[in-house]
Amino acid sequence: QKEVEQNSGPLSVPEGAIASLNCTYSDRGSQSFFWYRQYSGKSPELIMSIYSNGDKEDGRFTAQLNKASQYVSLLIRDSQPSDSATYLCAVLASGGSYIPTFGRGTSLIVHP
Amino acid sequence: DVKVTQSSRYLVKRTGEKVFLECVQDMDHENMFWYRQDPGLGLRLIYFSYDVKMKEKGDIPEGYSVSREKKERFSLILESASTNQTSMYLCASTMDGHGGAMADTQYFGPGTRLTVL
Repeated sequence: QKEVEQNSGPLSVPEGAIASLNCTYSDRGSQSFFWYRQYSGKSPELIMSIYSNGDKEDGRFTAQLNKASQYVSLLIRDSQPSDSATYLCAVLASGGSYIPTFGRGTSLIVHP
Repeated sequence: DVKVTQSSRYLVKRTGEKVFLECVQDMDHENMFWYRQDPGLGLRLIYFSYDVKMKEKGDIPEGYSVSREKKERFSLILESASTNQTSMYLCASTMDGHGGAMADTQYFGPGTRLTVL
């Protein structure tokens, strides 16, 4: 059974701080990793994908992948109240797998 | 931009009714998925389809069926709605499952919040 674990939160950070969201996964064969953001009452939307060990930066967002330790994280710099949402981690195995395994999400609250 | 649309944002049905949820994507994606999302349980896969007329069960297929007669359309059917099927239903599509920055990104529709009374 493939598992993706996230702390459900809520993670509360002040505006302007760095928010750090973490995700661990059980399947060592996983090759593709995704962070989705979901606002309350809305559907998930992709923020970032990462495939190689190390960091990947996109604006205020940085995804970090460590396959040896089986974790992936998302850093949000200069957090804004508009970043308040649930963040879903998703992991896809190799070999033509179609189906990602989603974590249950971490709720982030950025307070002014 | 990829667009995934769902037939209704909100739906109220009665126990025992047959319910159809429709999903259409406009980017010629190979794969389509139906999930339900409940508080504390996250996204759970009901069914997915990797080609026209091809379908496979997900984690919670009981009480549901699907139909994919055309590549762009994937329907979820509740044969006899029950109160425990009250949920948010999300449709998603991906280009394919063979890797690459865009190919395996899930694009979600806006969701249908179904209430079964």
